[in-house]
Amino acid sequence: GAVVSQHPSRVICKSGTSVKIECRSLDFQATTMFWYRQFPKQSLMLMATSNEGSKATYEQGVEKDKFLINHASLTLSTLTVTSAHPEDSSFYICSARDETSPYEQYFGPGTRLTVT
Amino acid sequence: GQNIDQPTEMTATEGAIVQINCTYQTSGFNGLFWYQQHAGEAPTFLSYNVLDGLEEKGRFSSFLSRSKGYSYLLLKELQMKDSASYLCAVTTSGTYKYIFGTGTRLKVLA
Repeated sequence: GAVVSQHPSRVICKSGTSVKIECRSLDFQATTMFWYRQFPKQSLMLMATSNEGSKATYEQGVEKDKFLINHASLTLSTLTVTSAHPEDSSFYICSARDETSPYEQYFGPGTRLTVT
Repeated sequence: GQNIDQPTEMTATEGAIVQINCTYQTSGFNGLFWYQQHAGEAPTFLSYNVLDGLEEKGRFSSFLSRSKGYSYLLLKELQMKDSASYLCAVTTSGTYKYIFGTGTRLKVLA
């Protein structure tokens, strides 16, 4: 149980375009999901907390107009990187919180974004 | 502010024991997780400590001292597949967010 998927696993896009990443909890409902980014040889940096049915909460320094988050259902959150630039190239990982084990997060496999 | 520190890199020999430390300064500490992450993959859960003491799970053990703001992950009988990054993450009261430490890259040598 407690499986989280992400799609796509890899994406290459041109500078100036937008790309959407999906995060799904497959066998549990997740009122809260989290989005992280990770640069090579660095730790995970929390970008935002995605709350089902309400606005996401962004961490300090993360541009909410650039990283749009939508959590429209209890099993799906999306992250849209708008007007992508090469410096947005990174590994994006989502996680989901299962209400039955509130402090543990289950991580998706990650999405490798390359902006050319 | 919140600060969570780990050594950047460690090297150990196959079959040996290695201890990875994590020190933290946070307000409203609620618990500490350890995760393993292989390059390009998602983190996988190793342990969770909320009370002081040692939690043992097979070859892996984790220790917590809340008064000292300190935790360690102990890996015994090291195997080549244990070469990975090890991340400690702290949770705080009133939020379910993880604050990740800097991560430790462990290299196991034959």
